[in-house]
Formats: sequence, structure tokens, C-alpha cells
Amino acid sequence: GENVEQHPSTLSVQEGDSAVIKCTYSDSASNYFPWYKQELGKRPQLIIDIRSNVGEKKDQRIAVTLNKTAKHFSLHITETQPEDSAVYFCAAKRSNDYKLSFGAGTTVTVRA
Amino acid sequence: ETGVTQTPRHLVMGMTNKKSLKCEQHLGHNAMYWYKQSAKKPLELMFVYSLEERVENNSVPSRFSPECPNSSHLFLHLHTLQPEDSALYLCASAWLTSGSYEQFFGPGTRLTVL
Repeated sequence: GENVEQHPSTLSVQEGDSAVIKCTYSDSASNYFPWYKQELGKRPQLIIDIRSNVGEKKDQRIAVTLNKTAKHFSLHITETQPEDSAVYFCAAKRSNDYKLSFGAGTTVTVRA
Repeated sequence: ETGVTQTPRHLVMGMTNKKSLKCEQHLGHNAMYWYKQSAKKPLELMFVYSLEERVENNSVPSRFSPECPNSSHLFLHLHTLQPEDSALYLCASAWLTSGSYEQFFGPGTRLTVL
């Protein structure tokens, strides 16, 4: 099955700085890559996703990039704010499947 | 409450107890999922019910038994659990045939096995 690795496991950034989280996947048949944000004590929620026919996608302060050749994708958060503090999970889905394989998560702390 | 709901939110049980977790989705979705979330580990998919087909992770012990009586309700029956089964159990749903693969999660049940 698909194996997704996520780094770093923890990330502390100064408010206003950028944060980058990287994920790699193993199955070249994967074609959908979502990112979920889970605030403390709350449920995971989708914040952005990208499909394999696109190299980059932006939504305000967040962006995701995909390198199919290297089989890795990254989440970029610019101008970080305290409300960005959360656990972020990447995931991958194979084209012939409806299951998501998740990374282990990155705990992001934004220091005021 | 709209979206995906789960009950109970917290559960403490002994190893000899039998209990059930309930999930209900109010989104008209056609797939439902059970995940186990343990600290510092990836979300672990336990079971999927999709378009009347059940798919399970073969590594899930038989002391966990799912039930999906209809497309809106999902249960996880628990019996003779072990302390290492303590975790947050998340339910999710999705509408698979829309071209969107977004999964909507419930708030989870925090399970403690004594």
C-alpha cells in the first residue's frame, strides 16, 4: 500500500515567518494529496488539496507544491499567525482507491 | 448538530466490557470511515464502508467490529479491549462519486481502556 512520510514532526516559528512541511509518498499511482489541519481538541479539517495534474495551488496564505518525479509535496504557510498553531497532516490517495494514507503529522507552534 | 457527529465523546471501559461507538453523518455522503488516532502516529484507517462495500485494514484486531446499517450511521463495537487500544477514534464521511475526495471528520471519541 501507500506509505506517506512527513517531516518535521514539530515546527516552531516566529509570528510573521513562513512554515514549510514536507511529505513524500511511495506509490506513483497516487494522484490526490490533501492537507488537514487539526487544532487542539478539535477534528481534522481539510485546508487545501492538490491533484497530480497541477504543480502548485494557492489559497491566501497557504500553498501546496507537488513534485511527481520526486514523489514529494509540501505545504507552505506564509505570514504565520497564532491561529495557525495546530497539527497538520498530509495524505495521499491512489487513483483507483478511495482510501487516504496519512502522514504522522507536524505540530506547528507560532510564537508571538 | 450538523455534519458528522459521534457519541459518546469520552468513554472509559475495562478490558472485560462491551461498548459501542456511534457515528452519524448528516451530509448525504456515501462512504464512512473509522480511524484510530494515537499520539505521534499517522491516522490509522480501520474500516471503510463505501457504496455498500466494506473494506478493512487486516491489521485491526477482531475485538473491533464495525456495523453500517445504512449510509448515515456507523458503529464500532468494542469487546475485550486492551490498554493499548486507548486512543481517539475518529469517524469520517465522504461523497465519493462527486469527484471530490474530501473527508469530513467527526469530533472523535476519546477511549480509555483500564
